[in-house]
Amino acid sequence: AQSVTQPDIHITVSEGASLELRCNYSYGATPYLFWYVQSPGQGLQLLLKYFSGDTLVQGIKGFEAEFKRSQSSFNLRKPSVHWSDAAEYFCAVGMNTGFQKLVFGTGTRLLVSP
Amino acid sequence: NAGVTQTPKFRVLKTGQSMTLLCAQDMNHEYMYWYRQDPGMGLRLIHYSVGEGTTAKGEVPDGYNVSRLKKQNFLLGLESAAPSQTSVYFCASTRLEAQPQHFGDGTRLSIL
Repeated sequence: AQSVTQPDIHITVSEGASLELRCNYSYGATPYLFWYVQSPGQGLQLLLKYFSGDTLVQGIKGFEAEFKRSQSSFNLRKPSVHWSDAAEYFCAVGMNTGFQKLVFGTGTRLLVSP
Repeated sequence: NAGVTQTPKFRVLKTGQSMTLLCAQDMNHEYMYWYRQDPGMGLRLIHYSVGEGTTAKGEVPDGYNVSRLKKQNFLLGLESAAPSQTSVYFCASTRLEAQPQHFGDGTRLSIL
């Protein structure tokens, strides 16, 4: 069965420091890949997506992610974290089944320290 | 443009009561989804619809029913609520397979 692993439940980063959130997936083919962010009490907002082509994708709010097929990974990065980035981040994998069906990771909560 | 709107935002039910959660989207999307979000478990798919008049089971469908009588609306029903259904419910929609899903703000449901 397809699965998505986000190994870090919580991460604390100092404001201005760099960030990398890990995401690994298990799927037989090349999936669609997404990162979503959720602020407290809010829905999920799309940060970026990968469907095909360039394996380094740029998203909103200065985030980027790199698809590495050999490692089945899609890690999210940001060079300099801002206090407003504190939120929960979800990696999701979409399977090519003729319609879009997403499997989500369990999320990583980002805390930003002053 | 409202996007995906969920009604209600909060609800408290007693065990055994029934209720319907409404999801409405104004983007003319074909695909609609209902998820539940529980601490430490991410989002899990309850039911989904690939078009008006169609529904299908997701990962955790037991205890829920859905209907999609109109393209813009996707209803999630709890016939006899149980404490295990206490959760935050999210609706999402998308136009095509290779497009991201748009999410509503969620419905926080507590079953006592």
